[in-house]
Amino acid sequence: GAVVSQHPSWVICKSGTSVKIECRSLDFQATTMFWYRQFPKQSLMLMATSNEGSKATYEQGVEKDKFLINHASLTLSTLTVTSAHPEDSSFYICSARPPPYNEQFFGPGTRLTVL
Amino acid sequence: KQEVTQIPAALSVPEGENLVLNCSFTDSAIYNLQWFRQDPGKGLTSLLLIQSSQREQTSGRLNASLDKSSGRSTLYIAASQPGDSATYLCAVASNSGNTPLVFGKGTRLSVIA
Repeated sequence: GAVVSQHPSWVICKSGTSVKIECRSLDFQATTMFWYRQFPKQSLMLMATSNEGSKATYEQGVEKDKFLINHASLTLSTLTVTSAHPEDSSFYICSARPPPYNEQFFGPGTRLTVL
Repeated sequence: KQEVTQIPAALSVPEGENLVLNCSFTDSAIYNLQWFRQDPGKGLTSLLLIQSSQREQTSGRLNASLDKSSGRSTLYIAASQPGDSATYLCAVASNSGNTPLVFGKGTRLSVIA
């Protein structure tokens, strides 16, 4: 199957700092990538849809100024958590679908801990 | 708005048992349905993908069925092993094309040796 990578796999930061998470499609081009967040013992919740060359689409309740998404190329989307706070601590996972858009593949996730 | 429910939330079985995990969705107009496995602290591993026109898919000891009209899918695991212990997630895509998945909350499976 297709491969989606994420970097870093985990990060610990101080409250108030910004953290950037990268999501890459390694063997296919992805015009669209999806960012999910998962709190402990909860399911995945869609945060935003990242579109190459245009603005991301955010789900209701997700602050676009806090979670900045940049999809600058067909293989890379980045999520920047700005001015992170402890409540932003979570597991962030990205995904993408190679054409013909059947199966969706997920990255290994990034564990963010904000102290 | 599509909602996905998984029952049971947790399940503990002895090694060797066959088991069934259930998934239901409120809007039957789905494009496809995927079953995933997630180990603690890890990402998702895709297990089976069922297109809306299909009724089941099989991979090794896993068999997934889909009854789109009733909004249900089941994941059957035969001859369970301790290595099957994980959280199993069901997710549906509601449209064709490049759309996100809607996930259930998962079933935490423990297979006891």
